[in-house]
Amino acid sequence: DVQLTQSPSSLSASVGDRVTITCRASQGLNAFLHWYQQRPGKAPRLLIYAGSNLQTGVPSRFSGGGSGTHFTLAISALQPEDSATYFCQQSFSYPWTFGQGTKVDIK
Amino acid sequence: EVQLVESGGGLIQPGGSLTLSCAASGFAVSGNYMSWVRQAPGKGLEWVSIIYTSDDTQYADSVKGRFTISRDNPKNTLYLQMSSLRAEDTAIYYCARVALASWDVMDVWGQGTTVTVSS
Repeated sequence: DVQLTQSPSSLSASVGDRVTITCRASQGLNAFLHWYQQRPGKAPRLLIYAGSNLQTGVPSRFSGGGSGTHFTLAISALQPEDSATYFCQQSFSYPWTFGQGTKVDIK
Repeated sequence: EVQLVESGGGLIQPGGSLTLSCAASGFAVSGNYMSWVRQAPGKGLEWVSIIYTSDDTQYADSVKGRFTISRDNPKNTLYLQMSSLRAEDTAIYYCARVALASWDVMDVWGQGTTVTVSS
């Protein structure tokens, strides 16, 4: 199974800060790596697909990068509504797997 | 509007069976891969199963042989039949659409239905 390791596990930042979350895979994924946001008590929401493609309707302050085994999710200017847990997920091979999540809090 | 609405969750004893439903609107389940993902209380996300447009299926090892994914095209509904349920199957179960021609990404999610396995 492909293991996805996210770092950090949690972070606290101020409104307007730039934050970056990393997802490392145990094997190459080509670009089959996606990012989701989950607010408390809500379903996951797709933010970025195929490493760097912004899903329709997602604010442009979110961006994704990387390929192979190293991927990043960046939020350019953190907003209060970005307080959530963020997950990476691979669809390169079965079983599909998720990272353990990164909880983002607003100071 | 594209939407998924899950139902069928509840409290079930260990060893019991339960069938979850996921009603789709705004698109046809027959024309998309469809998937189930679960989340145990306070934990991360775990992929459970997928059904292709060809009706082929894949399962996580943790549910293989106990869960069955299926769909009813006229009802535009996805199902997850669960049997031999264990305490570790307790979770919120989400259904998700797998976007066509887009890297097999789950682009639309339901709100989830809660399954609690306990005596």
